Amino acid sequence: EAGVAQSPRYKIIEKRQSVAFWCNPISGHATLYWYQQILGQGPKLLIQFQNNGVVDDSQLPKDRFSAERLKGVDSTLKIQPAKLEDSAVYLCASSLIRLAAPYNEQFFGPGTRLTVL
Amino acid sequence: KQEVTQIPAALSVPEGENLVLNCSFTDSAIYNLQWFRQDPGKGLTSLLLIQSSQREQTSGRLNASLDKSSGRSTLYIAASQPGDSATYLCAVGNRGGSEKLVFGKGTKLTVNP
Repeated sequence: EAGVAQSPRYKIIEKRQSVAFWCNPISGHATLYWYQQILGQGPKLLIQFQNNGVVDDSQLPKDRFSAERLKGVDSTLKIQPAKLEDSAVYLCASSLIRLAAPYNEQFFGPGTRLTVL
Repeated sequence: KQEVTQIPAALSVPEGENLVLNCSFTDSAIYNLQWFRQDPGKGLTSLLLIQSSQREQTSGRLNASLDKSSGRSTLYIAASQPGDSATYLCAVGNRGGSEKLVFGKGTKLTVNP
């Protein structure tokens, strides 16, 4: 079974530029998460989708971050404009639909390492 | 607000030693707890998942326990190997609302040959 796919793996941009990350979850997983992991910290949830609807985006900096999940499969996370403090690893995870899988084990992709100069 | 703490932040042991990693959380209203492994520059690999109704889970040389009432979990690694060197993250899923995971900062483990 293929895992969670993310691209690109690395990205270097200058502050005030824009950047986009892509995630393809495990086939059949209805729930998709984007986490931000700053160096030396644990991952922090940015946004959670159930199919193509947003369940939780309370920690998403909405003035600069946006995310979408068209057709309930792939997802894109965008930052515009980027700030120095956005330098982090952006992790995508997926899990089975809540009602069918009460355990909700999350499976993570390899992440995208963003460096903002 | 759930907070997760992992102690120690870093641990260095000789090969073959048994070791324990600690995780504590402030809100006992959790529905599960996951232990992950993260290698440098890589994503997270799920090691063990414990439901709130369970006390422990085992996989190979790994054993994770959960004491919800005291807000603690431990990850026991038996007969450590250099290949176990990585950062180990503990994460809890809270009841109610979204099933987001709240992570600790991790314990960086180095197993010396």
